[in-house]
Amino acid sequence: GESVGLHLPTLSVQEGDNSIINCAYSNSASDYFIWYKQESGKGPQFIIDIRSNMDKRQGQRVTVLLNKTVKHLSLQIAATQPGDSAVYFCAEIINNAGNMLTFGGGTRLMVKP
Amino acid sequence: DTGVSQNPRHKITKRGQNVTFRCDPISEHNRLYWYRQTLGQGPEFLTYFQNEAQLEKSRLLSDRFSAERPKGSFSTLEIQRTEQGDSAMYLCASSPQNRNIQYFGAGTRLSVL
Repeated sequence: GESVGLHLPTLSVQEGDNSIINCAYSNSASDYFIWYKQESGKGPQFIIDIRSNMDKRQGQRVTVLLNKTVKHLSLQIAATQPGDSAVYFCAEIINNAGNMLTFGGGTRLMVKP
Repeated sequence: DTGVSQNPRHKITKRGQNVTFRCDPISEHNRLYWYRQTLGQGPEFLTYFQNEAQLEKSRLLSDRFSAERPKGSFSTLEIQRTEQGDSAMYLCASSPQNRNIQYFGAGTRLSVL
C-alpha cells in the first residue's frame, strides 16, 4: 500500500511495551481534540476524543491526556501490538470555527515484534 | 458496509481535464466534510455541508474547486482544469448532528499527469 507519510517523526517500540505519542497545539481557543490512526491506503480512523474541560480520558488500551497550560496533548497506548503500527494524528476543533478539524503533522508508530 | 464510501478510489487524469469525486456518508449523518491530504501531511479542511447547505467553503483551494450535496445525502467534489499540484488524496468524512467526531472514508487518490 502507499505510504501515508514519508518523512514523519517515528516512534519505534517493542511489542507489549507502552507507547506515548505527543502533540502540541497553539490555539488556546481549541475546545475539542481527537486522535486518529491512519494505516497505509486508508482514511483516518477515530481512536479517542477529549473536550477542553477534561484532563484525561480513557478508552480500551488508550488514554488521552490534555495539558491546557502548555497546550499539549498525548496519546498513550498500553501493551502496544503490531496492529497498532500506523501514523497517528491529533486534530483540534477551534471554538467558533465551525466543524473544521485542524490536523497536526502526525507521528509514525512502528511496533517491533 | 455502513461506513463512508468514496468513489473512485484512484483517478489518473491529464492536466487540464475536469474530475469529479463522489462521497456517500454514513446514513443519518447530516454533516459531510471534504479534506485534502498530501504525502507526509495531515488532512487539510476544504469545505463542509450540513444537510444540503454548504456552510463553509472559504477553504476551497481555488475557484477551480467546487462541491455539491444537492439532496443532503451524497456529495460530489469537482476540480476543473486540473493541475499537477492537485495530485493528492481527497478524503470525505461525515458526522451526526451535535457530535464532533468525524468518520472518514478511504479517500480518492488523484494523480494529475
